[in-house]
Amino acid sequence: AAGVIQSPRHLIKEKRETATLKCYPIPRHDTVYWYQQGPGQDPQFLISFYEKMQSDKGSIPDRFSAQQFSDYHSELNMSSLELGDSALYFCASSFVGGFGYTFGSGTRLTVV
Amino acid sequence: AQTVTQSQPEMSVQEAETVTLSCTYDTSENNYYLFWYKQPPSRQMILVIRQEAYKQQNATENRFSVNFQKAAKSFSLKISDSQLGDTAMYFCAFMKSSGGGADGLTFGKGTHLIIQP
Repeated sequence: AAGVIQSPRHLIKEKRETATLKCYPIPRHDTVYWYQQGPGQDPQFLISFYEKMQSDKGSIPDRFSAQQFSDYHSELNMSSLELGDSALYFCASSFVGGFGYTFGSGTRLTVV
Repeated sequence: AQTVTQSQPEMSVQEAETVTLSCTYDTSENNYYLFWYKQPPSRQMILVIRQEAYKQQNATENRFSVNFQKAAKSFSLKISDSQLGDTAMYFCAFMKSSGGGADGLTFGKGTHLIIQP
């Protein structure tokens, strides 16, 4: 079965640089979610999209922005990167109002 | 805002034993969902089991079952006949049910479960 695809798997950036993470949801899933998991931490909800519109917002920094495109894939843009942004970034997808959703394998971002 | 509390940072049991992971939550919502996710060393987040708050019957998935006590706001996970592959971080998670929205999950801090051979 198709899963949630995230790219890249690993990313190394320097402080103050910009990073873009991509997420391709399971086919026919219309909702995408982004989470950030710091080392030894639980995942923190950042933002979600349904039908290309922002649906719910969590603890997403102002330096981050995201969008969902017409083919339902989503991108998380992160600017002015800080050392503290080093984390595992998960994308997940579901049908809207779905009872639980499927996570991708994550993108590991390291800021040096 | 919701909070999820897992009071056991780490647990260790022998293979084939039964283990119970605790989770309590606090919310003013009436309609919500509860989940247990497993995160093995690969860091993949895997849904283990889920429960709709309006259902009184406890969810069961093969060796995994929950004890959902809505009044006590408790949602524990029982793993029967534990296997080495069950070694992982287990997160309890809460999601409000907003009737069609794409709501985020609130996670607990996790319980690191180690299954000893």
